[in-house]
Amino acid sequence: AQTVTQSQPEMSVQEAETVTLSCTYDTSESDYYLFWYKQPPSRQMILVIRQEAYKQQNATENRFSVNFQKAAKSFSLKISDSQLGDAAMYFCAYRSYTGTYKYIFGTGTRLKVLA
Amino acid sequence: DVKVTQSSRYLVKRTGEKVFLECVQDMDHENMFWYRQDPGLGLRLIYFSYDVKMKEKGDIPEGYSVSREKKERFSLILESASTNQTSMYLCASSLFGAGLRILALHFGNGTRLTVT
Repeated sequence: AQTVTQSQPEMSVQEAETVTLSCTYDTSESDYYLFWYKQPPSRQMILVIRQEAYKQQNATENRFSVNFQKAAKSFSLKISDSQLGDAAMYFCAYRSYTGTYKYIFGTGTRLKVLA
Repeated sequence: DVKVTQSSRYLVKRTGEKVFLECVQDMDHENMFWYRQDPGLGLRLIYFSYDVKMKEKGDIPEGYSVSREKKERFSLILESASTNQTSMYLCASSLFGAGLRILALHFGNGTRLTVT
């Protein structure tokens, strides 16, 4: 069975600095999808970035980018030029390419942004 | 943009009550999900539906049931609420099919349920 691990329950970053949130996963599959979701205090889960495992190129969305290391089964999220609005819980999620509908979520990392 | 609406933001219920959590999506998504979110445990899937009247159990279905009579609406039912069901409940939807954009989940704002 697949698992997703976020080993950092909480992290802090100074405004305008860069922070990296870690995510590792365990799977025997070769094709799958990976996602980062953000949950601000408003509780609305928002998709931040997504990656297909067969693509070597790391996904980027404005200030958000990932470092996808397939062999190491690592999918870290880098936030550049951190802003106060980035403060939130961040969840890493895994989904199989085919078959199961199931999304596997990590336990989340709470990011604090310090002014 | 997809909108997923959960009928209540906060609910307080008594032990033994039957509780209904409602979720409606407006983008004709085939798949709908109910998750439970607890600190340190992340999101755990309670039930999933891939079509009207179709449902499958997730990881923690005990004590819950669901109803999907219309494509846009997916209800979570706590047959007899207990204190250990105090939690945040998140509804989500997605399209059916393959592809990264299709598979992304769209979430509601969550219902924080307290059972006393």
